[in-house]
Formats: sequence, structure tokens, C-alpha cells
Amino acid sequence: ETGVTQSPTHLIKTRGQQVTLRCSSQSGHNTVSWYQQALGQGPQFIFQYYREEENGRGNFPPRFSGLQFPNYSSELNVNALELDDSALYLCASSLQGGVGIQYFGAGTRLSVL
Amino acid sequence: QKEVEQNSGPLSVPEGAIASLNCTYSDRGSQSFFWYRQYSGKSPELIMSIYSNGDKEDGRFTAQLNKASQYVSLLIRDSQPSDSATYLCAAYGNNRLAFGKGNQVVVIP
Repeated sequence: ETGVTQSPTHLIKTRGQQVTLRCSSQSGHNTVSWYQQALGQGPQFIFQYYREEENGRGNFPPRFSGLQFPNYSSELNVNALELDDSALYLCASSLQGGVGIQYFGAGTRLSVL
Repeated sequence: QKEVEQNSGPLSVPEGAIASLNCTYSDRGSQSFFWYRQYSGKSPELIMSIYSNGDKEDGRFTAQLNKASQYVSLLIRDSQPSDSATYLCAAYGNNRLAFGKGNQVVVIP
């Protein structure tokens, strides 16, 4: 167990809808990163949050947005869902300024129909 | 060119044998390197980290890093059926992990 919790575990949405995924970081960790993992692929970096601000972003459109709260927990919001958004969404927590070690939560499996 | 490449197909090894995995990375600014294990339907689990050239051993696992060749490898000694999983290579830099596609390892009893 990494101490990183994600909710919900599974979600089914239809194209065009909006979704919010949640993540609580490991105790003592101040940074949250989000990744998308399509079937058969490695995780792809979406963005990172530190001090409640976006601290780096991968190649994802603006309809992917996020928040970080004072307790370091985080949300990932995806608007106007597309079929290709179907994936495992992973949250990872870490300490800013460290050597890059990130611990993953169990993930949220999103299916877009 | 992908940032991290893992090109080998599924690897089948007999129980007790050595499994050898490798990956290459393109960003010379990458600072740290990791191997994650991912069981089917689960999230990645960190099993090894390496930051400087050479070998690092932890139990049955040995990671090797060669920054000049931009090459990272993982050896699994005395492979067990519980080692059957996908192994993801990752490079850290610019506040993000860049992952390879992963290599599936199947340990045959």
C-alpha cells in the first residue's frame, strides 16, 4: 500500500459528458501528478500540481484540468469526454525537489461509451 | 522518437532463471530512472530506482544505468511465478516521469 487513494475505482460515462476524479496524496507528500494509461501502453503524463498550482503539463488538451487543495489532495477534471479518453487514470504523489520517486494510487478506470 | 523505449516483446523465462529487461531514453537531462512492476488490472508499483552509472542491487533485482549510452536495464534473478507482470521503465526530468510501453514477463513453473 502506497497511502495514495483514488476515487472512484470505476466510472462509466457517455461521450460529451464531464468527469471529476479525486486523489489523496501520501502523508507528507506535497506534490500530485496525474497520468493516463491506455490499454497496452505506458502511463502518459497529464500534469503535476504543487502548492495548488499547475507545475508542468504534458501533451493533453485544455479540456483536461486540475486542482490541488491546501491538504495536497487533487482533482482531475475532463470536459467533453471523447471515446479515446477511456483509460486508467493514475495519481502519483511525491515530494517536490526530491529525486523523482512517485508512488501511485490504485487508479480510476474510466470507460467512455 | 519516444522519450523512453522498451522494444522487446513478451519474455518467457523458466522458474529460477534470470529475466533481463532493458530500455533506452532520449533526454540526456533525465536525472533519475525507475523500474515499476504492474500486474494486470493494477497500478504500477515501484521496485527499483537508480540515479548514477553502474549497478544497484536490491534482493533479486539488479538495475544498471549507463548514461553515456542512455541505457537502463533490470535483471531479475531466480525468477518466480509471482514475477509474472509487465515491467515499466521510467525516466524522471522536468517534474515528470516518462514511461516506456512496458515489457511483459511470464515465468513458467
